[in-house]
Amino acid sequence: DIQMTQSPSSVSVSVGDRVTITCRASQGISTWLAWYQQKPGKAPKLLIYAASGLQSGVPSRFSGSKSGTDFTLTISSLQPEDVATYYCQQAHSFPFSFGPGTKVEIK
Amino acid sequence: EVQLLESGGGLIQPGRSLRLSCTVSGFNFDDYAMHWVRQAPGKGLEWVSGITWNSDKVDYAASVRGRFTISRDSARNSLYLQMNSLRPEDSAVYYCGRDKGKFGELLEQWGQGTLVTVSS
Repeated sequence: DIQMTQSPSSVSVSVGDRVTITCRASQGISTWLAWYQQKPGKAPKLLIYAASGLQSGVPSRFSGSKSGTDFTLTISSLQPEDVATYYCQQAHSFPFSFGPGTKVEIK
Repeated sequence: EVQLLESGGGLIQPGRSLRLSCTVSGFNFDDYAMHWVRQAPGKGLEWVSGITWNSDKVDYAASVRGRFTISRDSARNSLYLQMNSLRPEDSAVYYCGRDKGKFGELLEQWGQGTLVTVSS
């Protein structure tokens, strides 16, 4: 089974700052990676599919990329409504797996 | 409007069984793979099980394999999760999710979840 890791586990930044979250899979998954945002008490929401595809309706300040074996979610200018926990998920093969999450807070 | 509505959660004793249901509307159920994902209190997301559009392929997380069974009923536009031999560590909010496609890729739409508490 494929294991997912994420870093950092939490980050605290000022409004308007850039946020970068990294995810890595235990084996090659090509670009079969998705990113989700979960706000407290709410269901997760799909942000990014296929490593860099922006889901419809998601603000353009969110972007995804892949470099080597690392996947990155970037929020170009953090807004107050972006406070949430972010998860990556490998979509390469069953059984699917999520990363442990990154909590983003406002400094 | 796409809607997924989970039901069947509640308080259940260890070792007992429970069946969760997810009734969907607003899209053609037969065109999509479906999933169950859970989240224990204060913890991260754990993918539990998935099923392709035609039930040809199903799979489970190692933590539930052999105890849980996923199924779907097109006539009822419903997804199910039969959970047997429940353990305290199965306590979580269980989310139903619709895939982006037929064969299993990611969760594009989510329900609001149903809480399962396994305790004596």
